Amino acid sequence: AQSVTQLDSHVSVSEGTPVLLRCNYSSSYSPSLFWYVQHPNKGLQLLLKYTSAATLVKGINGFEAEFKKSETSFHLTKPSAHMSDAAEYFCVVSDWRSGGSNYKLTFGKGTLLTVNP
Amino acid sequence: DVKVTQSSRYLVKRTGEKVFLECVQDMDHENMFWYRQDPGLGLRLIYFSYDVKMKEKGDIPEGYSVSREKKERFSLILESASTNQTSMYLCASTPAAGGYTFGSGTRLTVV
Repeated sequence: AQSVTQLDSHVSVSEGTPVLLRCNYSSSYSPSLFWYVQHPNKGLQLLLKYTSAATLVKGINGFEAEFKKSETSFHLTKPSAHMSDAAEYFCVVSDWRSGGSNYKLTFGKGTLLTVNP
Repeated sequence: DVKVTQSSRYLVKRTGEKVFLECVQDMDHENMFWYRQDPGLGLRLIYFSYDVKMKEKGDIPEGYSVSREKKERFSLILESASTNQTSMYLCASTPAAGGYTFGSGTRLTVV
């Protein structure tokens, strides 16, 4: 079974300061890990994904995440927050179902990022 | 670009009604999924399908059923809608090699 825990339901930062959104996962297989962002009244957009290549993954809009197997973590960071980063962020894990070529995603409960001027 | 189209953006239905939510993808993807999204709970998987006429239960299938008669279309059915099924419903598809594409969602209100 796979699961995801986003350690903070709400993170508030000032514009120009670093962002850290924390995520821990559990997976029976070698996982793929994702971060998605959802702006208000918008669909889900993929920020970045880890699929067993480089452990430091760079995504769009200056975000990056580091896969740490020993800590079962996949925290999302950005050096300098922008007002447009205000949104809800979801950490997601998936693993290939045994015997098949399909897989399902398991979402964390989300972290709401607020950026203050 | 892959498109996943959900037929309705907003829907209001009465308790006890049978409700159909439709999802169509245009890229011949094998896998299709239905999630519901609720504040503070993230997205939870209701059902998924990895081939025509094939379906598997997700984490919260109770009160729902699905139909996949054609590869491009995956329907979610609420047999008898209840107020606790008021939610945002998201459809997604992916090919065998992976890479999710989400629809824009249907916000269902059951009154």
